[in-house]
Amino acid sequence: AQSVTQPDIHITVSEGASLELRCNYSYGATPYLFWYVQSPGQGLQLLLKYFSGDTLVQGIKGFEAEFKRSQSSFNLRKPSVHWSDAAEYFCAFKAGNNRKLIWGLGTSLAVNP
Amino acid sequence: EAGVAQSPRYKIIEKRQSVAFWCNPISGHATLYWYQQILGQGPKLLIQFQNNGVVDDSQLPKDRFSAERLKGVDSTLKIQPAKLEDSAVYLCASSLERISYEQYFGPGTRLTVT
Repeated sequence: AQSVTQPDIHITVSEGASLELRCNYSYGATPYLFWYVQSPGQGLQLLLKYFSGDTLVQGIKGFEAEFKRSQSSFNLRKPSVHWSDAAEYFCAFKAGNNRKLIWGLGTSLAVNP
Repeated sequence: EAGVAQSPRYKIIEKRQSVAFWCNPISGHATLYWYQQILGQGPKLLIQFQNNGVVDDSQLPKDRFSAERLKGVDSTLKIQPAKLEDSAVYLCASSLERISYEQYFGPGTRLTVT
């Protein structure tokens, strides 16, 4: 079955520390991969996406993600977290001609001052 | 460029009442999506429109939910009658093309059914 797993429900990091949010997908081929962020009371905002080509993709707000086919992963990283990064992060993918986005359950990020 | 607009932002109703949500997508975006997001979960697609036609409504509970996009621009989602389990955030999104991979989301409507 097609699915997305975000193993970490909640993560707390200190401001200025590095961050890695994990995402694994289940699909028979390479899907189109996305990371979205949802701040409290806000809608979802696209951080970055991977379709093909360079497996390290850069996004907005200083985020990057690396696609690893062998691990079926698309982990999100940021070298230095800011307090404003506290939010819910969702990994999603679109499989082939399927129009739907398949979503993970999200990872809630808290940032300590 | 204006984003996706939704109203109301918050709504509290009693079970068995009806409620309607409104969405105005980004100008020129032909595809419009309604999602339901229950607390602690990812968004669940309810219905997808291409212009004023329905592309996918396989996960829409049609006995109580309905949606329309009559002129291919703004859209309304209605619940009648509401149940307690309908408490969620209802998100509207739009994209430029039918198979566009990038969806732009509105701020959502938080519905509480008591």
